Amino acid sequence: AQTVTQSQPEMSVQEAETVTLSCTYDTSESDYYLFWYKQPPSRQMILVIRQEAYKQQNATENRFSVNFQKAAKSFSLKISDSQLGDAAMYFCAYSSEYGNKLVFGAGTILRVKS
Amino acid sequence: NAGVTQTPKFQVLKTGQSMTLQCAQDMNHEYMSWYRQDPGMGLRLIHYSVGAGITDQGEVPNGYNVSRSTTEDFPLRLLSAAPSQTSVYFCASSFGRGSPLHFGNGTRLTVT
Repeated sequence: AQTVTQSQPEMSVQEAETVTLSCTYDTSESDYYLFWYKQPPSRQMILVIRQEAYKQQNATENRFSVNFQKAAKSFSLKISDSQLGDAAMYFCAYSSEYGNKLVFGAGTILRVKS
Repeated sequence: NAGVTQTPKFQVLKTGQSMTLQCAQDMNHEYMSWYRQDPGMGLRLIHYSVGAGITDQGEVPNGYNVSRSTTEDFPLRLLSAAPSQTSVYFCASSFGRGSPLHFGNGTRLTVT
């Protein structure tokens, strides 16, 4: 079974600076999908970014980008120019190529200081 | 476009009571699923469905039942609530393999 590990329970960043959230996963599959979701205090789950494992290019969405290292099974999220609205719980998730059942990490709480 | 609608937002049950969490989506998604979120454990899959009439168990199915009579609706039933089922529950839907999940706003359930 696949597992997802987020080793940083909490992170802090100064407004306007850059922060990187770590995620590693374990799988024997060669094709799969990876996601980062954001959960603000409102409890809503918001998709941040999606990566397809067969694509070498790292996904980017405005200030959010990933460093996808397939051989190392690592999928970190970089947030540039951090804003107060980025403060949230961030979840890394894995999806097999054979279905759409997501396996989530435990989450990282990101605090943004003004 | 409502997306995924989940009700209720909050619920308190006594041990042994039953209830149904409602979930509906208007995006014509084939895939629907239920997750529970507990502190330090992320979200864990309870049950899922790949289409009307088809359901299957996820990682933590015990104590929960589901059915999928229509594409739009995917209710989650707790037959006899236990304190261990105190959690936040999310319903989600997607087009299918590799597509991002669209989540409802969650239900905070407390079982006393």
